[in-house]
Amino acid sequence: AQTVTQSQPEMSVQEAETVTLSCTYDTSESDYYLFWYKQPPSRQMILVIRQEAYKQQNATENRFSVNFQKAAKSFSLKISDSQLGDAAMYFCAYAGGNTGNQFYFGTGTSLTVIP
Amino acid sequence: EAGVAQSPRYKIIEKRQSVAFWCNPISGHATLYWYQQILGQGPKLLIQFQNNGVVDDSQLPKDRFSAERLKGVDSTLKIQPAKLEDSAVYLCASALALAVHEQFFGPGTRLTVL
Repeated sequence: AQTVTQSQPEMSVQEAETVTLSCTYDTSESDYYLFWYKQPPSRQMILVIRQEAYKQQNATENRFSVNFQKAAKSFSLKISDSQLGDAAMYFCAYAGGNTGNQFYFGTGTSLTVIP
Repeated sequence: EAGVAQSPRYKIIEKRQSVAFWCNPISGHATLYWYQQILGQGPKLLIQFQNNGVVDDSQLPKDRFSAERLKGVDSTLKIQPAKLEDSAVYLCASALALAVHEQFFGPGTRLTVL
């Protein structure tokens, strides 16, 4: 089965600074998708950004960008100009082309934004 | 567009009791998922439906958990009897179709088993 590893249980960042959250995954598939989801204290998971494995260009959504290293099976999330509202649990997730859209989640990184 | 709805939001029961959770996916979404999220962990898939059929229930503890989606819209997840280790948040998610990889999540139901 696919595995997703987030090695940073907790991270903190000063407001307006940049932070990078790490994620690695293990798969034998060549076609897959990677996601970062945000889960604020209210618990509703919200999609932050997605990356298709066949695309070489790193995905970007406003202040959020990824560094996708396919050979290294690494998928990190960079948050620029951090805001207080960015404080949440962040989950990295994998969905493979052969797994019928089943998501595999990492254990999450709790991000604290310091005013 | 209305999101994924779940109820109840919170439930406290004693071990060996039964409990049921309800999920209403986004209108038009054919695929529905139930996840279990234990405190400090990422969500783990319990069961996946495509319309009213089960696509994957390999991680569902079938001796005590059951789920249905009879008309291909709403879904219920039941636990009978509950154990202490079932304490978790139960998340429902939906997607437009199997081939579409973006899932939309509901707010979850927090279950506490005493």
